[in-house]
Amino acid sequence: EAGVAQSPRYKIIEKRQSVAFWCNPISGHATLYWYQQILGQGPKLLIQFQNNGVVDDSQLPKDRFSAERLKGVDSTLKIQPAKLEDSAVYLCASSPDGYTDTQYFGPGTRLTVL
Amino acid sequence: AQSVTQLDSHVSVSEGTPVLLRCNYSSSYSPSLFWYVQHPNKGLQLLLKYTSAATLVKGINGFEAEFKKSETSFHLTKPSAHMSDAAEYFCVVRINAGGTSYGKLTFGQGTILTVHP
Repeated sequence: EAGVAQSPRYKIIEKRQSVAFWCNPISGHATLYWYQQILGQGPKLLIQFQNNGVVDDSQLPKDRFSAERLKGVDSTLKIQPAKLEDSAVYLCASSPDGYTDTQYFGPGTRLTVL
Repeated sequence: AQSVTQLDSHVSVSEGTPVLLRCNYSSSYSPSLFWYVQHPNKGLQLLLKYTSAATLVKGINGFEAEFKKSETSFHLTKPSAHMSDAAEYFCVVRINAGGTSYGKLTFGQGTILTVHP
């Protein structure tokens, strides 16, 4: 079974630029999550999708971050404009549904904002 | 509200000696608890989980954890460390109550395990 795929793996941009990350969850998984992991901290949930609808985006900085999951499969997370404090690893995870215990994580995208 | 505290940011052991990574949690509801491991430049991998069944949970690679409700703890142990165990470990609590936060994971700060030859 293929795991959660993310791209790119690494990205370096300058502040005020925009950037987008892509995630393809495990086939058939209805729930998709985006996490932000700042160096030295545990991952923090940014947004949760159930199919193509948003379940929880309470921690998403909506003035600069946006995410979509068209057709309820893959998803993109965008930052525009980026700030220095956005430097982090962005993790995507999926689960069969929002009630299943286990979330399966992708390898992450490491973003560096200069 | 729920929270997770990992009591040690770094743990260093010698190969072949026991490993103990400590975790305390706070939850308003009966929690599900997890340990995830993160090797450098790799994704988070589930080690084990507690979901209100047996309080002693066995996971992959010889790790186990014991849920102690009276102590609100979920410490991770392994009898004998291996070099390949060197990684960062996260204790995680999951909300099992209703509402839009159902299923939300809260991660601890992480414990970096170093294994010396």
